[in-house]
Amino acid sequence: DTEVTQTPKHLVMGMTNKKSLKCEQHMGHRAMYWYKQKAKKPPELMFVYSYEKLSINESVPSRFSPECPNSSLLNLHLHALQPEDSALYLCASSQESQTNQPQHFGDGTRLSIL
Amino acid sequence: SQQGEEDPQALSIQEGENATMNCSYKTSINNLQWYRQNSGRGLVHLILIRSNEREKHSGRLRVTLDTSKKSSSLLITASRAADTASYFCATAASGGSYIPTFGRGTSLIVHP
Repeated sequence: DTEVTQTPKHLVMGMTNKKSLKCEQHMGHRAMYWYKQKAKKPPELMFVYSYEKLSINESVPSRFSPECPNSSLLNLHLHALQPEDSALYLCASSQESQTNQPQHFGDGTRLSIL
Repeated sequence: SQQGEEDPQALSIQEGENATMNCSYKTSINNLQWYRQNSGRGLVHLILIRSNEREKHSGRLRVTLDTSKKSSSLLITASRAADTASYFCATAASGGSYIPTFGRGTSLIVHP
């Protein structure tokens, strides 16, 4: 079991739907991350939150909208996605984003866009 | 790009053999990390080695770092079928944030 919990594990949605991915950690970490991973590729950074503030947005399309309601929770709101957005979405956390600290990953949400 | 390049892309060995994976990168780093990803799962952190360190061990894992050659290696000794996974190196560029950039990974298959 991982210490970072992501829900749902699988999500199938149409291009007009609105859905949200959720991530939770209770390790007291102050940095949280969203990654996108296509099959047989490395994870690609999307967003970084540090102390509940968005610190990095890697030029992600606005159809992806992150939210950090508190230090333990991270959401990714999805709207009007495209078929090419189908991927594994990984959440990670670390003690802080500006130190030599490893990241702890959840098992991801596998997203399929119809 | 700071992205590391792992070599080989795929490795197939028998149980009990050693597995060595290499990672090369382009610019100076704060640290280099190795992660494992089992099929359909998230990444699991294995080892973090700082730029002023040359070698670290963790159980059957040994990581070396040669900053003059901008390369690192991950050695798994006495491999087991359960070691079958993708292995990624991730580098955090010096002078920037400590957020790692992942390489393309090595797919390791250990046959029982």
